[in-house]
Amino acid sequence: QQPVQSPQAVILREGEDAVINCSSSKALYSVHWYRQKHGEAPVFLMILLKGGEQKGHEKISASFNEKKQQSSLYLTASQLSYSGTYFCGTSSGTYKYIFGTGTRLKVLA
Amino acid sequence: DVKVTQSSRYLVKRTGEKVFLECVQDMDHENMFWYRQDPGLGLRLIYFSYDVKMKEKGDIPEGYSVSREKKERFSLILESASTNQTSMYLCASSRGLAGAYNEQFFGPGTRLTVL
Repeated sequence: QQPVQSPQAVILREGEDAVINCSSSKALYSVHWYRQKHGEAPVFLMILLKGGEQKGHEKISASFNEKKQQSSLYLTASQLSYSGTYFCGTSSGTYKYIFGTGTRLKVLA
Repeated sequence: DVKVTQSSRYLVKRTGEKVFLECVQDMDHENMFWYRQDPGLGLRLIYFSYDVKMKEKGDIPEGYSVSREKKERFSLILESASTNQTSMYLCASSRGLAGAYNEQFFGPGTRLTVL
């Protein structure tokens, strides 16, 4: 079952902050975050692992609550370049990822 | 620079045709994936492969098959294309045996239209 992302869409002004949430009904081993700009391939942002390890962007932060099977992506001081669709991908420890339906984010000047 | 390439950006086929979508990665990655992307549904996994000649079904394998004869190449086959297979198809690869630990690199996608 696909993880649920919220909100589905968000519009910001430059400099504002945003939080994107990802919830799963299954126990998770890892959560991945990707951003896809219109007409382009998804690009990796961050991986969060069970146990607290993270790897990814310095300017983007995220949290992973293993007990609640939830992850949140924090976008601070948003820039125009942050616009795009954000996907979380979840894994229960295998090669297989299940991606959420995406959150469309638009940053206005 | 790491690269995943897909054979076509746009493809138009007729109902009932056999369709081949090709994906090649130059990173010596063990794992390769095929997804389809539809508005409002996000990315859904069709098939993945964690080694040459190995394949596993994803969430929506019906109507598709795959082939991985060489490590760098992963093909998606639509045996008899139907209009409900009109979609954007994305290929991805990742390294390592612990697939869930490593980031995926995506190709640019193939937009397939079945008439």
